[in-house]
Order: sequence, then C-alpha cells, then structure tokens
Amino acid sequence: RKEVEQDPGPFNVPEGATVAFNCTYSNSASQSFFWYRQDCRKEPKLLMSVYSSGNEDGRFTAQLNRASQYISLLIRDSKLSDSATYLCVVNPLGGGYNKLIFGAGTRLAVHP
Amino acid sequence: NAGVTQTPKFQVLKTGQSMTLQCAQDMNHEYMSWYRQDPGMGLRLIHYSVGAGITDQGEVPNGYNVSRSTTEDFPLRLLSAAPSQTSVYFCASNRGQNYGYTFGSGTRLTVV
Repeated sequence: RKEVEQDPGPFNVPEGATVAFNCTYSNSASQSFFWYRQDCRKEPKLLMSVYSSGNEDGRFTAQLNRASQYISLLIRDSKLSDSATYLCVVNPLGGGYNKLIFGAGTRLAVHP
Repeated sequence: NAGVTQTPKFQVLKTGQSMTLQCAQDMNHEYMSWYRQDPGMGLRLIHYSVGAGITDQGEVPNGYNVSRSTTEDFPLRLLSAAPSQTSVYFCASNRGQNYGYTFGSGTRLTVV
C-alpha cells in the first residue's frame, strides 16, 4: 500500500462547480499535512496547510480526519484557472525529520 | 528575493557521465530536499538535509550523492548517469517540518 494515495482523476467539471478531492495516508503517526497545486511542466506550489480543526482559504477548504486517516480538499465556485494537478502531502514522522511524502496527484480540468 | 534557484533547467547526458545539479536558496531555510518526479509516480524523495553538514537518504537515494557545506547550497551529484535517471528533478526548502516547501523550477534531465 502506498503511503499517500489519491484518486488520479481527471475530474472534469464546469465553471462554478464544487469539487472535492480525498487523500488517504497509511501512517497514523503522521504529523503535518498539505495540499499543493502543480501546473503542467511547472514546480509544485503550496496551496494550503491542513489543520486538525479544518481550515478555509477563500474558495478552498481543507479537512483532516485522523481517525480514518484521510484529508480532503473542497473547491467551491471552480474557475478555469483552477485547472491543475492537486498533490496531497504528508509528513509521516515529525520529530525533526523532514521527509514529506507526496501523493501522485489528482488532475482537475475546469471547462467553460 | 529569488527563493530556490536550480541550474541547469535542461540537461542531456550520456550513460555513464556524471554531473551536478545545483540548488541554492536565499531564505535562510534549514531544511532542503531533492525530489524526482516521474509520470504516474508522484514526487519521490532522493536525499534531504536538516542543516549544514547534515544529510540523509530518502526513498530513492541510489546513484545520487549530496553534501551540505552551507545553509544556502544543496547540490545533487549523479555519479554515473543511467537511463533510469531520466526525470524531472526538484529542489525544495522549508524552515521546518510543519511548514510547506518552496520548490525550485526544476531540472529536466534526459540520459541517453
């Protein structure tokens, strides 16, 4: 089983739609969680950290469920510019280690 | 503020050649890492460093060496290039385990 698993998609949605991505992780001791966005042939860029209580940044909402070991990303009112691959990232060790584990990514395509 | 700078952006090597991928950051981050990204595989950690003089192996370290003589620089050396090392290489830095990475723009390496 992979340490971090994501549905590869693609998710094809119209503008204005709400779309949700899930990601599961295998190490129950994982300490920190992130969502990254990667455009085609570009470097990944941090979208948001994921906190235990859940957090929101504009149209984006991230949730963490430690009991079920998954994190989610909700995008409301999708824009064409949201088209990208979304990477789920987990730090499985903490304690000074820095071995972030990336999921393979979920592709999102937003169409007019 | 340049962030994380990687050079070169593109490189073609012949099997058996060696080379060094350069990475420099100007954010005074303690943590630096090297990842490779292959289609369908996501980003995989090659080596990482938690400070000057301290390095450790990631998930796929074979065929690569690193050193960290200064906080700013974290070069990745390919000892004897193989076609299996054809990939996109990303260098990243962050200020601690609970913070997201800042990535360089990547090096596209082809080994023929």
